[in-house]
This record gives sequence, structure tokens and C-alpha cells, in this order.
Amino acid sequence: GENVEQHPSTLSVQEGDSAVIKCTYSDSASNYFPWYKQELGKGPQLIIDIRSNVGEKKDQRIAVTLNKTAKHFSLHITETQPEDSAVYFCAAIGNQGGKLIFGQGTELSVKP
Amino acid sequence: DAGVIQSPRHEVTEMGQEVTLRCKPISGHDYLFWYRQTMMRGLELLIYFNNNVPIDDSGMPEDRFSAKMPNASFSTLKIQPSEPRDSAVYFCASSLGGSNTEAFFGQGTRLTVV
Repeated sequence: GENVEQHPSTLSVQEGDSAVIKCTYSDSASNYFPWYKQELGKGPQLIIDIRSNVGEKKDQRIAVTLNKTAKHFSLHITETQPEDSAVYFCAAIGNQGGKLIFGQGTELSVKP
Repeated sequence: DAGVIQSPRHEVTEMGQEVTLRCKPISGHDYLFWYRQTMMRGLELLIYFNNNVPIDDSGMPEDRFSAKMPNASFSTLKIQPSEPRDSAVYFCASSLGGSNTEAFFGQGTRLTVV
């Protein structure tokens, strides 16, 4: 089945700097790669996603890139703000349809 | 829509007791997922349903865990008997599946077994 590895597990940046979180996946048939943000005491919430037919997607300060050949995808947050502090999860849907497999999570801390 | 609704938000129970967690998915969503989140293991998929039918329960840790979805608007996750190592936050999520696969999560149930 699908396996998703995420790095780093913790990331600390200064306000205004960029943050990059990387994930690799194992199932070459995976075709959907969402990123979720989890704030303390809440459930994960989708912030951006990318499908296998595109290599990059951007939404304001957030962008995701996908390299299908290497089976890795990354989240880029520019001009970070303290409210970006949270745990971020990457995920992939394997060839079993709706089964969403998550990475281990990255705790991002943005220091004012 | 109010989103995915889970109850209770917090549950404290004694070891050996039965625990039932409840979930109401978003209306119209065909997929329902149960996840467990712990510091050590992160977000683990326990089981998921498609159109009320269990599709993959390979993540259910033991026979003490069972899940049902009697209709499109309700699902339960039951632990019987509960053990301290079951302490975790349990999330329910729902999605349309197929080409539109954003999963919407509930607020979670924080379970503590003492």
C-alpha cells in the first residue's frame, strides 16, 4: 500500500521568511496530493492540493510542487506569519480510490 | 452545512469499559473515514466506508475496535473493552471521493482511558 514520508518533523522560522516542507510517496499510481493544516485542538483542514496532471499550484502565499518521476511533493509558504504556526500534514491517495494516507506531520513555528 | 460533527468532544473512561464515538458526516458525502491521532504514530487511518459499506478496515488495531455505518448520516466507532493505550484523539472525516477528494474533518474526540 501507499506510504508517505514527511520532513522535517519540526521547523522554526522567523516571521517573513519562507518555509518548505517535503514529502515522498511510494505508490506511483497515486494521483492526488493534499496538504492539511492542523491548529491546536482542531481537526486538520485542507489548505491546498495538487493532482498528478500538474507540476505546480499556487494560492497566494502557499504553493505546492509535484515531481512524479521522483515521487515527491513539497509545500512552500512565503512571507510567513505567526498565524501560520501549526502542524502541517501532507497526504496522498493511492490506487485504492478514497484511501487517504498521511505523512507524519511537521510542526511549524513562526517567531515574530 | 455544519460540517462533520463528532460526539462527544471529550471522553474519560475506566479501563475495561465500552466506549462509543459518534460521527455525522457532511450530507451528500459518499466516503467516511475514522482516524486516530497520537504523538507517537501521527494520523492513522483505522477504517473507511464508501456508501455506508466498509471498504478497508486494515488499520483497525484489534478486535476490540469495531465501526458501523447504519446509514448515510451516522457512524460509530466502538472500543470494547477499552485500554489505556487507546487514549488518543479520534477524528472522523468525510469526502465526496472520486475526482473531488477533499476530506473534511470533524473536531475530534479526545479519549482518555484511565
